[in-house]
Order: sequence, then C-alpha cells, then structure tokens
Amino acid sequence: DAGVIQSPRHEVTEMGQEVTLRCKPISGHNSLFWYRQTMMRGLELLIYFNNNVPIDDSGMPEDRFSAKMPNASFSTLKIQPSEPRDSAVYFCASSLGQGHTEAFFGQGTRLTVV
Amino acid sequence: SQKIEQNSEALNIQEGKTATLTCNYTNYSPAYLQWYRQDPGRGPVFLLLIRENEKEKRKERLKVTFDTTLKQSLFHITASQPADSATYLCAPSMDSNYQLIWGAGTKLIIKP
Repeated sequence: DAGVIQSPRHEVTEMGQEVTLRCKPISGHNSLFWYRQTMMRGLELLIYFNNNVPIDDSGMPEDRFSAKMPNASFSTLKIQPSEPRDSAVYFCASSLGQGHTEAFFGQGTRLTVV
Repeated sequence: SQKIEQNSEALNIQEGKTATLTCNYTNYSPAYLQWYRQDPGRGPVFLLLIRENEKEKRKERLKVTFDTTLKQSLFHITASQPADSATYLCAPSMDSNYQLIWGAGTKLIIKP
C-alpha cells in the first residue's frame, strides 16, 4: 500500500477563497483523522471518522470548516471562506482502530492563505 | 483541563550517548501512550505504544517507560546517531477515547 495520500502538497490561496484538501486513507483502515499543525498550537485533532461516519467534530474551529467522507477510500476537508489564520499544515491520518492503535499519517498539505 | 508537557527546548546529545525525552500529563489517566517521530516537512511516524499495565517497552535502540503514579513517560534512544535527530511527539489516549491528544514535541539533535 502507498500509505495515506494527501493532495495537494502545497496550496496558496487568497483570503476569502474556498479551499478543498483531499485524503485517501490506507485500504482497510476504518478510522480517519484530520489534524492541523502550527508552531503555536502543535498538532490539533479537527475531526474523526469511524466507518465513514463523523464521530466527533468538536475540534473543527468554526462553521467555515467542513469535512466529508463519502466512502471508505476518500475524505475531504473544506474551508470556505479561507482566512490568513487558517495557514497551517493539515494532516490526514488513518488507523485500524481507535486511540490505542497506531495512526498512519499522510505527508500533509501546507496551506498558505494570503 | 487535560494537559501534556514535553521539553519545549531542543535537546542536544552527543552521538553514541543515550537521549532521554520526557512526557508529563495532568488531569487525566490515559490507558495507552504512543510515541511518534516527525521529520521536517513530513507527517508523524509511529514508534512505540505502551499500555498502562506495562512498565517498559523496547524496540531495538528505543525504550519507553510509563509511570502512572508520576504521570510520566520517558522515551530513551540508546547509542544515539545523527539520523535520530527529529522531533518526538507523545500522544496519550484513554481506553474509550478515540482521540489522541498530542504533546507539542521535543526536538532532538544528535551531534556527531
């Protein structure tokens, strides 16, 4: 397996624009996580899916953020409208179980909102 | 609120020595604790998982301890090498809590 695949690797957008980040988890994994990482706040969990169902989105900063998982092999994280403070590295991770099993991370998407 | 603390400053170690990283947690009792390595521009990579009923776990040159009384985990790298230079993250989790709460990470620098 190629691991968790995220796209794009880098995204530069203007404030107010819509941004969509994509993730393909490892085949067979039933848990998917979206994280955001910044120097100031470290790694923060945004949303967790189990078997394609959003279980907890309490980490989503505000209504401008939304995430979907239409099937077991694809997930998106959308920001609309984007703001400069959304600039960060966004990681997608998948795992076979829940908190006590290892998570496999993608390479991340570095988002810059100008 | 739940809090995780890792050495915020970089840890400089001479090659060949043992590096020891600390992870302290407060206001909760995790059943599991994981350690990850993160290199610049890449996602975290899993290293070791230790359960609350395990005092110690080893994998090659790596050793992790889990002291539920002290609310602390120690991560050791023996015979350290420059290639071990990276940021190391700890992530405790509850038994029934899917969510991994992450420490800020400690940057380890191994000098030749």
